[in-house]
Amino acid sequence: DAGVIQSPRHEVTEMGQEVTLRCKPISGHNSLFWYRQTMMRGLELLIYFNNNVPIDDSGMPEDRFSAKMPNASFSTLKIQPSEPRDSAVYFCASSPAARGAFFGQGTRLTVV
Amino acid sequence: GENVEQHPSTLSVQEGDSAVIKCTYSDSASNYFPWYKQELGKGPQLIIDIRSNVGEKKDQRIAVTLNKTAKHFSLHITETQPEDSAVYFCAALSGGGGGADGLTFGKGTHLIIQP
Repeated sequence: DAGVIQSPRHEVTEMGQEVTLRCKPISGHNSLFWYRQTMMRGLELLIYFNNNVPIDDSGMPEDRFSAKMPNASFSTLKIQPSEPRDSAVYFCASSPAARGAFFGQGTRLTVV
Repeated sequence: GENVEQHPSTLSVQEGDSAVIKCTYSDSASNYFPWYKQELGKGPQLIIDIRSNVGEKKDQRIAVTLNKTAKHFSLHITETQPEDSAVYFCAALSGGGGGADGLTFGKGTHLIIQP
């Protein structure tokens, strides 16, 4: 299995632009998570899905952030419009029932 | 919600010595505690986990202990090697222990193995 696949690995964009991060979870995993990692705040859970349904999005910082999971093999995290303070590494992770999450390599987002 | 505290933030040990990282959690309902290792430029990697019905678990040079009464758990690495250098995160999961809930992470410990 290739593990959790995220794209792009790096994204540099100008403030105000729309950014879309993509994730392909491990096949057979029924839960998917989006995390954000910064030096100041560490790893923060943004949202998680169970069986493609959003369960808890209380970690999403603002309405500028949205996430979708149209099917079991694909999810997106969108930021519109992006701001410099959104700069961080964004991780997608998936999990089978009763186990910890398996993380992707992350997307390093820089908003200038 | 759950709150996980992790100490120390940085730990430097001589190669061959042991390293111990400690975490506390606040939610007595938490019942699953994984540990992750993150190397530079990579995502966190699950290295060991423990459930609340077990007090200790060992996997080669790595062991984890759990004290439910005190609500703390620890990672022990013996005979440390240079490749153990990384940032280590503890985490806690509330609820049924399945993958349906998000993990709460500690702030991480930067482990440095001195040659």
